[in-house]
Amino acid sequence: SQQGEEDPQALSIQEGENATMNCSYKTSINNLQWYRQNSGRGLVHLILIRSNEREKHSGRLRVTLDTSKKSSSLLITASRAADTASYFCATPNSGGSNYKLTFGKGTLLTVNP
Amino acid sequence: DGGITQSPKYLFRKEGQNVTLSCEQNLNHDAMYWYRQDPGQGLRLIYYSQIVNDFQKGDIAEGYSVSREKKESFPLTVTSAQKNPTAFYLCASSTPGPGAHNEQFFGPGTRLTVL
Repeated sequence: SQQGEEDPQALSIQEGENATMNCSYKTSINNLQWYRQNSGRGLVHLILIRSNEREKHSGRLRVTLDTSKKSSSLLITASRAADTASYFCATPNSGGSNYKLTFGKGTLLTVNP
Repeated sequence: DGGITQSPKYLFRKEGQNVTLSCEQNLNHDAMYWYRQDPGQGLRLIYYSQIVNDFQKGDIAEGYSVSREKKESFPLTVTSAQKNPTAFYLCASSTPGPGAHNEQFFGPGTRLTVL
């Protein structure tokens, strides 16, 4: 089954810096989603990018998708301590069901004040 | 206030006991899901349900059971057959269908500890 794999596993930066996380997947997709999880909490949907889109913005978030390389990146600009969380990419199941998502293991982002 | 609720937030169980985790949503979503998350890991799908009275096994269904008698509710039972049940359990829902992209909405999670 296809799976998103985030890179790096952990990232530590200073407040105000930009943070970039990458996700690679194995097979063709019709969309890719990014989620955020604060420690001990549920996941929150951040942004969805369709396969026919190359870039999408939402506030301080910028997501890119390169279907030829089967990869996506999430950029958080001007990071804040409150951005400290784990970030996951998710792709729809390749087995025909549009209901299931496969999540990567996540990138743990720490923003130091 | 629309959303997904899970209860309890923390749950302790003795070995050999079954325990049921609650998940309720008032988003009018057809699909619901249960995931398991271990420390430093991603989410693994236990069971999912696309519609009332129907559910399918996910990747790690052994030792778990579910029911979907109402659209709003999708309880998960962790049975004594589950060898390593200590984990963080997350419930989610979504509204798939034509034009939908299966964005999932998550509850706050239940942390289960087996003593």
